Amino acid sequence: VQLVESGGGLVQPGGSLRLSCAASGFTFDNYAVHWVRLRSGKGLEWVSGIFWKGGGTGYADSVKGRFIISRDSAKNSLYLQMNSLRTEDTALYYCVYDGIPGGAESWGQGTLVTVSS
Amino acid sequence: DVVMIQSPLSLPVTLGQPASISCRSSHSLVHRDGNTYLNWFHQRPGQAPRRLIYRVSNRDSGVPDRFSGSGSDTDFTLKISRVEAEDVGVYYCMQGTYWPYTFGQGTKLEIK
Repeated sequence: VQLVESGGGLVQPGGSLRLSCAASGFTFDNYAVHWVRLRSGKGLEWVSGIFWKGGGTGYADSVKGRFIISRDSAKNSLYLQMNSLRTEDTALYYCVYDGIPGGAESWGQGTLVTVSS
Repeated sequence: DVVMIQSPLSLPVTLGQPASISCRSSHSLVHRDGNTYLNWFHQRPGQAPRRLIYRVSNRDSGVPDRFSGSGSDTDFTLKISRVEAEDVGVYYCMQGTYWPYTFGQGTKLEIK
């Protein structure tokens, strides 16, 4: 089981980025997949999640209206469209697959997003 | 949102000695399906978090048996029977019963 994130980088405040997460060695199927971030000096924070089968989504209040999570079953991939980025969005973003309900079993290595002028 | 409170936040431990981390939630973590979705993770510097324990007390594959989880409802504990050097890092509890998933603040374990 491997999750590989990409798409991070340096962006100015107000800008946009699109993160991707590709799964290999298994297929996203019955359970939810999430984005979780780690800001420097802070703890882990759930950002957004999507139920792979039904497509239901959820967002943290801090990103609601700015970020959009989506999936492509044919590509076995997860995405996070990040708009109106703020300096406080600077973080390492992890892709996380539940594996079981509420499980957060498998984590990628993360992709770094830096929002700075 | 469910608030997860860990204690202590800093945990200096002598090699070979036991360690214990507490995690309390603001709501009962018993799901309507009867399961309690409380997990424990370990994160070393520069590495992704690794799940150690799921559903309160189930050890993940490859996790040493010196790690154990216990608790119910709103009160949970992670115990390490004999701390080894590789156990340093930050430990997080996380509830997966409700969306949004929420994490404890993290407990930094270091060797005295």
